[in-house]
Amino acid sequence: QQQVKQSPQSLIVQKGGISIINCAYENTAFDYFPWYQQFPGKGPALLIAIRPDVSEKKEGRFTISFNKSAKQFSLHIMDSQPGDSATYFCAASSKGSARQLTFGSGTQLTVLP
Amino acid sequence: DGGITQSPKYLFRKEGQNVTLSCEQNLNHDAMYWYRQDPGQGLRLIYYSQIVNDFQKGDIAEGYSVSREKKESFPLTVTSAQKNPTAFYLCASSSFGQGTEAFFGQGTRLTVV
Repeated sequence: QQQVKQSPQSLIVQKGGISIINCAYENTAFDYFPWYQQFPGKGPALLIAIRPDVSEKKEGRFTISFNKSAKQFSLHIMDSQPGDSATYFCAASSKGSARQLTFGSGTQLTVLP
Repeated sequence: DGGITQSPKYLFRKEGQNVTLSCEQNLNHDAMYWYRQDPGQGLRLIYYSQIVNDFQKGDIAEGYSVSREKKESFPLTVTSAQKNPTAFYLCASSSFGQGTEAFFGQGTRLTVV
């Protein structure tokens, strides 16, 4: 019930294209869904996050779409740039779990110039 | 600057040795967490602490120990009982409450030699 499933494992996109990463969860107690970006040898950094009371959140080129009934959420990166090449992790947490994050397995994004 | 400091960045351990990874935060966060990251996998929770002198096991606590004697510090000891300790270790902290960002340190890469 704590698992968060993420796909695809890797993604190659041309510069200017749209990158889409999907996640699904089972635990209906989850109430916070962040996406983290990680560069090699560095710690993850929060990119964007959403709560289940909204279906979409946009920050610049990054958008989270959330489907509560399907228990799925996705990250869309518009106008992808080579500098976006990194590993992206979806995650989820709930109040009852002391806000510990349950992570997806990660997606390695490569944006070709 | 506020943040989380992990040290050392690289650590080498001989078979049968215990090693301790340091994590210090000056964000005044109540909660601190230790995650393990293996290649191609997401982050897995080792231990977490919500308040001083209290901590709970995460999903993969076997072979690890922690202490929380000060709010700012949450060191992780990798004991000789951990059979496969080579990994990237990440410390994080957060405040409680929905939608509160978890901040990560830059990680410690532990290698068994």
